[in-house]
Formats: sequence, structure tokens, C-alpha cells
Amino acid sequence: DAKTTQPTSMDCAEGRAANLPCNHSTISGNEYVYWYRQIHSQGPQYIIHGLKNNETNEMASLIITEDRKSSTLILPHATLRDTAVYYCIVRFPNAGGTSYGKLTFGQGTILTVHP
Amino acid sequence: SAVISQKPSRDICQRGTSLTIQCQVDSQVTMMFWYRQQPGQSLTLIATANQGSEATYESGFVIDKFPISRPNLTFSTLTVSNMSPEDSSIYLCSVGGQGLHTQYFGPGTRLTVL
Repeated sequence: DAKTTQPTSMDCAEGRAANLPCNHSTISGNEYVYWYRQIHSQGPQYIIHGLKNNETNEMASLIITEDRKSSTLILPHATLRDTAVYYCIVRFPNAGGTSYGKLTFGQGTILTVHP
Repeated sequence: SAVISQKPSRDICQRGTSLTIQCQVDSQVTMMFWYRQQPGQSLTLIATANQGSEATYESGFVIDKFPISRPNLTFSTLTVSNMSPEDSSIYLCSVGGQGLHTQYFGPGTRLTVL
């Protein structure tokens, strides 16, 4: 799996957009970008994933650069409940093989949302 | 989505003893995964558990220390054997989603070894 680089921590005001960057310059053509978050004392939670195009769901938006070497997770209106560690993971999808189900977690970004 | 429960949610154990952690999923899944999260650290995969076969362990983890059972498609156990304070961690169970892209995690078992 490609290595990712994320800032250690970020702050955001409640109600504002939180933009979390991730660098993955060694990503290969068939690897996807996944975002998970871990709220304190809980297991990680899947947020969103993408291959090339920008993606949006009810939780967030994912912007992937044209060269796919970096991406940004956007929480459009951050709330206090969005305070968590956010992990950017680059890997092949769960299509079998020895990498099935193996998520390699880095240190992630600690996002703190302030009132 | 898959709903995963774990028991116990937390425990405090004495060194040299063993603890078995249970993981229950609300749907049948082929593969279940056990992760460890040491204090202040990120998650590390311990092993993959398939029903009807031996678990596959990642580098640095051995069956004698972390024996795993997988008696059916909705249940698995992880035992932490002969515990030492270095085993104090959160242990999480995980399963893949129905599609290719999602992974679900249980709430974790917080283990403290004295």
C-alpha cells in the first residue's frame, strides 16, 4: 500500500468547513484513497473513498488532485462531534488476495472542532 | 452496514493470566480481522480469521500469544495469553462490508495489564 502523509493536528471552528489534506505521491494507478475517522473510545468509522473523481456523500466530500498525488477531505459544516483522528489510507479495494481487509493506519490527523 | 459487538468492553488483568475477547457480527462474513491499538498509537493488524481454517498472523504476532477461534460465520474470539503490561491496548474486531470498499470496526476492548 502507498504511504500517506498527513498533518499531525488541525483546528476548526464549529460550523466552518474542515479541510484535511493528505499526500500520497507514490499511489499506483489502481489504488483508492480511503478516509476513516476514530472518535475517542470508539472503533474507526468509514467516511468516504475515491479513485480519480471527486466524491461526495452525506458525511463529507473528497477532492483528489488530477495527478492523484494528494487529496483533501472536506467536512462542510464541522460540529463538535466531528472531533476525532482522521486517517487517510491508500490501498487496493477488498477484491481478494493477501491485502483483503488489511488497512494500514498511519498516525492520522487529530481534528479538534472548537465552539 | 455491519453491526459488531465485543465483550468485554474493558478489563483489568494481572500479568501472567489470559483474557479471551469475543466478537459478534450481526451478519455472516467470510473473514474477520483483529487489530491492536497500543496507547497513543495507531491500529495494527494482528491476524485474519477465516471460518474453517487457521488464522493468518501478521509479522510480529504469533498463534501461541494470540490464539484465535472462528467457530462460525458470525463469531470469533481472540485470546491474549500470558499477559504482560506491554499487552495493555485496545483490541478491535473488524469485518469487510458487502462491497469492495468499506470496513467496519467493533467498539474495541480496552485491556489493562497490571
